[in-house]
Amino acid sequence: QVQLVESGGGLVKPGGSLRLSCAASGFTFSDYYMSWIRQAPGKGLEWVSYISNTGSTIYYADSVKGRFTISRDNAKNSLYLQMNSLRAEDTAVYYCARDDYRIDYWGQGTLVTVSS
Amino acid sequence: QSALTQPASVSGSPGQSITISCTGTSSDVGGYNYVSWYQQHPGKAPKLMIYDVTKRPSGVSNRFSGSKSGNTASLTISGLQAEDEADYYCSSYTSSSTRVFGGGTKLTVL
Repeated sequence: QVQLVESGGGLVKPGGSLRLSCAASGFTFSDYYMSWIRQAPGKGLEWVSYISNTGSTIYYADSVKGRFTISRDNAKNSLYLQMNSLRAEDTAVYYCARDDYRIDYWGQGTLVTVSS
Repeated sequence: QSALTQPASVSGSPGQSITISCTGTSSDVGGYNYVSWYQQHPGKAPKLMIYDVTKRPSGVSNRFSGSKSGNTASLTISGLQAEDEADYYCSSYTSSSTRVFGGGTKLTVL
């Protein structure tokens, strides 16, 4: 069965950096686009970024452009999100998700808290 | 990248039908048949309920259906059950090749 397991969340100070990872299993990872989606506490879903199956095509939400970098390692069945210059408003649960013009599988999420 | 517009809340009694709307623009909802709907229970990850406007993933009850007219998509839940109480989000592909979500609708089963 498809499994997406995020890791790397935690508490970080404003201006700091964090790298999230997502381990995928149960499907041919290299065949699928992947996305990161976040949800601030008590708020709605916000799409953050996606990456094509080969990594050649990448898009970001305006709110994270220039600060976040998405990447993938198909040999390791892994997705990453490098987050720099973190702000309080980046505090959220970050979900790794399989993206096929719809999000058909979601991870359980990892909490990122940006606070001094 | 403005969020799609959903009502903040809807409610219905068991057995009734409810409809949740999702309004966008010709650059997202109206321009593509890539509208999807997600159900989220508290503390859980979202679950795909409808994709490509009208399609249901395997395992999703046929009480859930989707439609679209112009720039507005809709999710209808018929035969409302207590377990349907959750937050619902719509999402669309956009002309910028990005994705956008709606603000979410809280469904209360009375």
